[in-house]
Amino acid sequence: DQQVKQNSPSLSVQEGRISILNCDYTNSMFDYFLWYKKYPAEGPTFLISISSIKDKNEDGRFTVFLNKSAKHLSLHIVPSQPGDSAVYFCAASVQPSYDKVIFGPGTSLSVIP
Amino acid sequence: GAGVSQSPSNKVTEKGKDVELRCDPISGHTALYWYRQSLGQGLEFLIYFQGNSAPDKSGLPSDRFSAERTGGSVSTLTIQRTQQEDSAVYLCASSQGRGRTQYFGPGTRLLVL
Repeated sequence: DQQVKQNSPSLSVQEGRISILNCDYTNSMFDYFLWYKKYPAEGPTFLISISSIKDKNEDGRFTVFLNKSAKHLSLHIVPSQPGDSAVYFCAASVQPSYDKVIFGPGTSLSVIP
Repeated sequence: GAGVSQSPSNKVTEKGKDVELRCDPISGHTALYWYRQSLGQGLEFLIYFQGNSAPDKSGLPSDRFSAERTGGSVSTLTIQRTQQEDSAVYLCASSQGRGRTQYFGPGTRLLVL
């Protein structure tokens, strides 16, 4: 029973265009969401997060949007660069402890030069 | 500064043997996590240590799996009587404590023949 779902296992985008990675969750208790990025043979690295009190958080080329009513969040990367090619994991946790973070299966993004 | 390190980076073992995986967290980080990523799957939570509190072992898949953290620093994950389904990448992460970003090590790739 996956509580965090990323229904697209892979995505290809042309360099310079927008990449949109989607994530859905089933547990309405989740109120803190994170995106991690993983290159081959490396551990995941934190990218951006959003609390449920917000519906948007932006950091440079990366923006995360949260739609609580739909239990859906998305990560937008614009403009996409070849170095963005990686696996992106959506993750969620519950306040106040954030101790246990539930990860989705990941989406592999390929940015084509 | 030094990040999270894990050893060995790769481990090939025979079914039925025991293996020990090691994690050195970032100095000063009080929280330590173990995850497993099987082929094509997301990150599966295994166990969480926070300071001197009793660890959260709720993610351990069977009693063949155990972990300890000595002196609040280094952690070892032990898998007894390994099975082929234990083959995966085992990732360790540490953080400064509750509600903080997790920093991942590069992982140990375990292959059980």
